[in-house]
Amino acid sequence: GAVVSQHPSWVICKSGTSVKIECRSLDFQATTMFWYRQFPKQSLMLMATSNEGSKATYEQGVEKDKFLINHASLTLSTLTVTSAHPEDSSFYICSAREWWTDFFGSGTRLTVV
Amino acid sequence: AQKVTQAQTEISVVEKEDVTLDCVYETRDTTYYLFWYKQPPSGELVFLIRRNSFDEQNEISGRYSWNFQKSTSSFNFTITASQVVDSAVYFCALSEAGVTGGGNKLTFGTGTQLKVEL
Repeated sequence: GAVVSQHPSWVICKSGTSVKIECRSLDFQATTMFWYRQFPKQSLMLMATSNEGSKATYEQGVEKDKFLINHASLTLSTLTVTSAHPEDSSFYICSAREWWTDFFGSGTRLTVV
Repeated sequence: AQKVTQAQTEISVVEKEDVTLDCVYETRDTTYYLFWYKQPPSGELVFLIRRNSFDEQNEISGRYSWNFQKSTSSFNFTITASQVVDSAVYFCALSEAGVTGGGNKLTFGTGTQLKVEL
């Protein structure tokens, strides 16, 4: 099956700093990638849809200036959490679409201290 | 608007028992895709199956089987002879098909936590 790599797996950062998370499709090209946030024991919450070569589409309530998404190539999308605060601590997971199926990365556990 | 309901929050079974995870969906589209994903404790979502709305054939893959019934808008997942390694959260999801297959987001159910004990 298609493989999506996400790095880092976990990161601890100080409040006020920025953190970048990478999502790569390793064996296919993905025009569309998605970024989710997941709280403990809850379902996935879609944050934004990332389309290669164009601006990301953010879901209602997601701050685009805080969660910067860049999809510069058909195999790479990045999520940058800017000026992170403790309330941004969460599990972030990306997916890449190959035709009509979304394949997911292994997720990034972000802890802001 | 599309919606996916997984009414079972948590299921506990003893190893070797069969278990069925329920999924009911709502959509106005006639063309859509249904999915099941497995999320083990490590966190990654593992793709299990995709089924399109025009294909109501049931599918079997090893110990896994899926029952798609458009008449009841259900896409249930059965694990036969469950094993401890099956312990995970299972998500059912729906996407409405677009022309190119891109851009239409997945709608997830709330997930079912399956615990398989010895």
